[in-house]
Amino acid sequence: KAGVTQTPRYLIKTRGQQVTLSCSPISGHRSVSWYQQTPGQGLQFLFEYFSETQRNKGNFPGRFSGRQFSNSRSEMNVSTLELGDSALYLCASSITGGSNVLTFGAGSRLTVL
Amino acid sequence: DAKTTQPTSMDCAEGRAANLPCNHSTISGNEYVYWYRQIHSQGPQYIIHGLKNNETNEMASLIITEDRKSSTLILPHATLRDTAVYYCIAGGFTGGGNKLTFGTGTQLKVEL
Repeated sequence: KAGVTQTPRYLIKTRGQQVTLSCSPISGHRSVSWYQQTPGQGLQFLFEYFSETQRNKGNFPGRFSGRQFSNSRSEMNVSTLELGDSALYLCASSITGGSNVLTFGAGSRLTVL
Repeated sequence: DAKTTQPTSMDCAEGRAANLPCNHSTISGNEYVYWYRQIHSQGPQYIIHGLKNNETNEMASLIITEDRKSSTLILPHATLRDTAVYYCIAGGFTGGGNKLTFGTGTQLKVEL
């Protein structure tokens, strides 16, 4: 079966712009989580959505937001980009919300210039 | 989530067992131990998890000490493709949603 699909895989933006990343979970998975990975901070939890509702949120500023659609697909948005937002953004899906058994996508690598 | 401590790096010869330790001395009674790995430039991959009993699947075995303060992930016959960063995570299995707190992990290098 198809895995977790993230688009785009690579993108370059400039400071002050905004970006939207997309994640299609595994069919039947209702929970979608987002993580940011940087060399300095490692893997950090951004937020989790389940049945279109945000259930958990990490310690990130309000410039980071997300949403989930009725088909479980999810998007995350980062507004007013800063250089420090350059990172690999990973999406993960799970059948249920709470098992912590996640299937990750390959990630979207964002470079902010 | 309980804090976990792992060695920064380990080496293993191909074909030998790789034993990756993890300390989680402050783990609470309802927290599970999860193991994920991340091969360079890919998303993390779930390996195994357990509460207090030893667990085995097609990828690995998880040995949890009786006091649950530490655990060991065992890759029985390591191959070059097992070279990756291995993350040990202690977290709850709750209806409150999925949330994993990743540490710095162990860089396992499997060599010929």
